[in-house]
Amino acid sequence: DGGITQSPKYLFRKEGQNVTLSCEQNLNHDAMYWYRQDPGQGLRLIYYSQIVNDFQKGDIAEGYSVSREKKESFPLTVTSAQKNPTAFYLCASTGSRDRGILIGELFFGEGSRLTVL
Amino acid sequence: AQSVTQLGSHVSVSEGALVLLRCNYSSSVPPYLFWYVQYPNQGLQLLLKYTTGATLVKGINGFEAEFKKSETSFHLTKPSAHMSDAAEYFCAVSEWGNNNDMRFGAGTRLTVKP
Repeated sequence: DGGITQSPKYLFRKEGQNVTLSCEQNLNHDAMYWYRQDPGQGLRLIYYSQIVNDFQKGDIAEGYSVSREKKESFPLTVTSAQKNPTAFYLCASTGSRDRGILIGELFFGEGSRLTVL
Repeated sequence: AQSVTQLGSHVSVSEGALVLLRCNYSSSVPPYLFWYVQYPNQGLQLLLKYTTGATLVKGINGFEAEFKKSETSFHLTKPSAHMSDAAEYFCAVSEWGNNNDMRFGAGTRLTVKP
């Protein structure tokens, strides 16, 4: 079945350690996104990528880094510079285009919950 | 820039009662509007979307929403709540459908009482 796989589902780390969250999709989608979810705040965009080897910062990119070496993969690294990294992280993708703009619904993975001790 | 306000962070209804979750948006251009549902510790799943055309949109699991431009609203309804509807619901807006600028509301947690 086509979909988005995030791993690990739960992750515990000590302060000061970098952490990489995996996101893989087999939907053949061009665009991939990383969101952060905190209680009562909805989803906030961290980074997005519309094409391989290209990505843009979202609203809260500070303390995070990404890469897009393959169409299927968009890993997110939470660095030690991120002041409050404990959160639920969601990866999403979309493949619909209209007039060159990526539109339509986002398809989400099941999320990764990061807890920093 | 576009934004979304969901009125009520928690809504509680009895099984069989009407479900009404409120969403108001702001957008300087024609919006694309979405409702997503999230079950505990899972990702979001699309319930329904409005792009253009018919303003009453039907989605999965018996939900529907009506786009009212004059009221800048996109409220989600379901005539009869089921226990399985208990989840968190997010309204989202994107201008001209541009996913790179999609904005989500803070979410409404729906509780269904037996």
